[in-house]
Amino acid sequence: EAGVTQFPSHSVIEKGQTVTLRCDPISGHDNLYWYRRVMGKEIKFLLHFVKESKQDESGMPNNRFLAERTGGTYSTLKVQPAELEDSGVYFCASSQEWSATEAFFGQGTRLTVV
Amino acid sequence: EDQVTQSPEALRLQEGESSSLNCSYTVSGLRGLFWYRQDPGKGPEFLFTLYSAGEEKEKERLKATLTKKESFLHITAPKPEDSATYLCAVQAYNNNDMRFGAGTRLTVKP
Repeated sequence: EAGVTQFPSHSVIEKGQTVTLRCDPISGHDNLYWYRRVMGKEIKFLLHFVKESKQDESGMPNNRFLAERTGGTYSTLKVQPAELEDSGVYFCASSQEWSATEAFFGQGTRLTVV
Repeated sequence: EDQVTQSPEALRLQEGESSSLNCSYTVSGLRGLFWYRQDPGKGPEFLFTLYSAGEEKEKERLKATLTKKESFLHITAPKPEDSATYLCAVQAYNNNDMRFGAGTRLTVKP
């Protein structure tokens, strides 16, 4: 069974540019989460989808971040325009149920904004 | 506000030298406490979920325990392949997300 897949694995962009990260969850997992780890800090929650609906986006830093999950399958996270402080590793996770169940993480996308 | 504090930040052990990692937490109604393992360049890998004080779970050389204020991850006779960062996270009843600690970086020397 394929795990959670994220693209790209690395991205280096200039400040002010746009970047789109993609996450393919495990097939059949309705719950999809985005997390971020900035340098030296702990992993922090960004948002949670249940199928195609945003269940909780309280962790999104600001309106430069836009997440979508069309058709309840893969998800994208767009940063526009990117700022230096957006650099970090972005993780996607999926789970069958949202209530205290194991979440499977992708390998992460390392974003560097220069 | 929910908080998770892991200690120590880093731990170096000799192969076979047993030890414990600590995860202290404050949460408004614990739904679950999670332990993950993370290798460099990879995403967190699920190890355990604990739901209530007194609960224990084991997997190979790892054993996780839970009290009302903290969780321990006990590593018995570790091997070099146990070297990784171990992450603790909590989920509260009123949240959809997991709140992570900063992790403990474990190095096991042969």
